[in-house]
Order: sequence, then C-alpha cells, then structure tokens
Amino acid sequence: QKEVEQNSGPLSVPEGAIASLNCTYSDRGSQSFFWYRQYSGKSPELIMSIYSNGDKEDGRFTAQLNKASQYVSLLIRDSQPSDSATYLCAVNTGFQKLVFGTGTRLLVSP
Amino acid sequence: NAGVTQTPKFRILKIGQSMTLQCAQDMNHNYMYWYRQDPGMGLKLIYYSVGAGITDKGEVPNGYNVSRSTTEDFPLRLELAAPSQTSVYFCASSTLAANTGELFFGEGSRLTVL
Repeated sequence: QKEVEQNSGPLSVPEGAIASLNCTYSDRGSQSFFWYRQYSGKSPELIMSIYSNGDKEDGRFTAQLNKASQYVSLLIRDSQPSDSATYLCAVNTGFQKLVFGTGTRLLVSP
Repeated sequence: NAGVTQTPKFRILKIGQSMTLQCAQDMNHNYMYWYRQDPGMGLKLIYYSVGAGITDKGEVPNGYNVSRSTTEDFPLRLELAAPSQTSVYFCASSTLAANTGELFFGEGSRLTVL
C-alpha cells in the first residue's frame, strides 16, 4: 500500500509568520508531488506541484522536495488568516492517480 | 463553463438502499475519478477511468460500481448502503497532459447512511 503521511495538526501560526507543512511518502519510485488546499466544506484545489529535488517558489508559497529522504514540504510566507485551511499532500502513483495524505489543518490567527 | 458537476449534494439513505451519485464534466477530460473523504481524513480513491468504456478499481472499491459510457459522465453506484459508506464523495477529472497532477473537483456529495 503506497502511503502518504502528514501530521494532522492543527498547526497554529500568527499572522505574518512562516507556516511549514511536511509530508513523507513510501513509494520511492514516485515522480511528482502536489499540494492541495481545502477550505472547510469545500473541494480541494491545487496550489503547488513539484517534480525535481530542490525548491519551487510561487508567490508566498514554496514547495520543497527531497527524494532521497522521501520528503515534501510546503512553506507559506507572510501567513494570512485566509490561508487557514487543510493542506493535502498528494503523490502521483501513475496514470494520473493521486494518493492523498490525511491533511494538515493550518490555523492563522490575526 | 460548469466544470465538474455532482448531484445530489446531500442525501440520506437507509441501510440496504441503493443509489447513484451522478458526475458530469464539460472540459473533455479523459480521466475521471471518484474519491471519498471521511471526517478528518484524506481522500481515498474508489474508482477511476482513463476514458469512455474503461474503468478500474482504486483503494476502496468494495460496495461501489461505476460505468463510463461517455467522456462526460461517470456515475457511482452504491449497492446495499451501509453506515460505513457515510462520507463525502468527490468526483474529479483531469486531462491526459503528462503528470500535471491537477484534478478538477466537483463540489462534493454528502451521503449519510442510517
């Protein structure tokens, strides 16, 4: 069973701080990795994708990938209350099939 | 552009009843998926389809059936509903584009089995 593990949280950070969300995966052959954001009662939406080792930045979001350690992270700089949501890590297992982690709930306090 | 449309949004079933969750997409996507999400949990893949006439099981297929007669539609059938099937069901679609990982989700169908 291919697994994706995340700390369920909640992760609480003050407004303006950096939020760091982490994810590990079990399938060493995985090639593509994604972060989805899910607001309460809503459907998930893709916010970041990363395919190679290192960092990928998009606005206030930075995804980090370390395939040797089977570790993916998401950094959110200058966190805003509107970033409060559950962040789902997902790994592509082939044929566009994604395996999702259980998600980390982020709370950003004003 | 409607995207992915799921119906119904809410449904209460009695144990042993059957029903079909409808999913339609208007983006001409080849891939379609059904996920379920239990409270505080991630998404578990039930069934997926890579094109009309082709379906395959995901992680948790027991108690469900699907069909894909057209590119647009991917209904999920629940036979003999059980309390363990109480969940939020998400239908999603994506393109054949290589490994973008972008799934377009419907708004979800909240099912309660009593």
